[in-house]
Amino acid sequence: QSVLTQPPSVSGAPGQRVTISCTGSSSNIGAGYDVHWYQQLPGTAPKLLIYGNSNRPSGVPDRFSGSKSGTSASLAITGLQAEDEADYYCQSYDSSLSEVFGGGTKLTVL
Amino acid sequence: QVQLVQSGAEVKKPGSSVKVSCKASGGTFSSYAISWVRQAPGQGLEWMGRIIPILGIANYAQKFQGRVTITADKSTSTAYMELSSLRSEDTAVYYCARDLRGSTAFDIWGQGTMVTVSS
Repeated sequence: QSVLTQPPSVSGAPGQRVTISCTGSSSNIGAGYDVHWYQQLPGTAPKLLIYGNSNRPSGVPDRFSGSKSGTSASLAITGLQAEDEADYYCQSYDSSLSEVFGGGTKLTVL
Repeated sequence: QVQLVQSGAEVKKPGSSVKVSCKASGGTFSSYAISWVRQAPGQGLEWMGRIIPILGIANYAQKFQGRVTITADKSTSTAYMELSSLRSEDTAVYYCARDLRGSTAFDIWGQGTMVTVSS
């Protein structure tokens, strides 16, 4: 059971917009801790997509955006492409003094 | 550009220990925190702990307290994660990852080390 809750799967057609939610609690996201997002392609290490709720590292397309409100955060992907098919994870810090992850969301591009 | 290169796959017996290394090349090492994250087959990511090499201070997720030890050797720019009393549920890919400066996000990851625990 992950501390942060994500939908197991989302899907969308090429060119569409999809969002992935990440729900926490008052001990992590709601306490003001930043949320970060990762993309993991099969058989590879995770790649940082969004840090500090809404910041993109250099090289990440602006099709990817993040937001946070209250005890939840969201990752939005616009102009969906076949190469976006992957697993996505959110991460935050918890007052139990641990980094915590969501259970992951599998994105399928139809 | 910094790269994190991890040691190779391991097969261990239940009850034994494993030590995985993570060597940084191409940049500074000591001033960045290094975390260890594991991923069981078909499962999500799980944070185990982190160390700040320049301080030599490590902190661990409660779940692994007493069973995991994270250390760092500044002279060789290498971090280590040792997990003891291995059980089958510890079978996973173990990643090291560097904290992005000023953040708790992980911006650089090692390639992962598969640890299989089997009798």
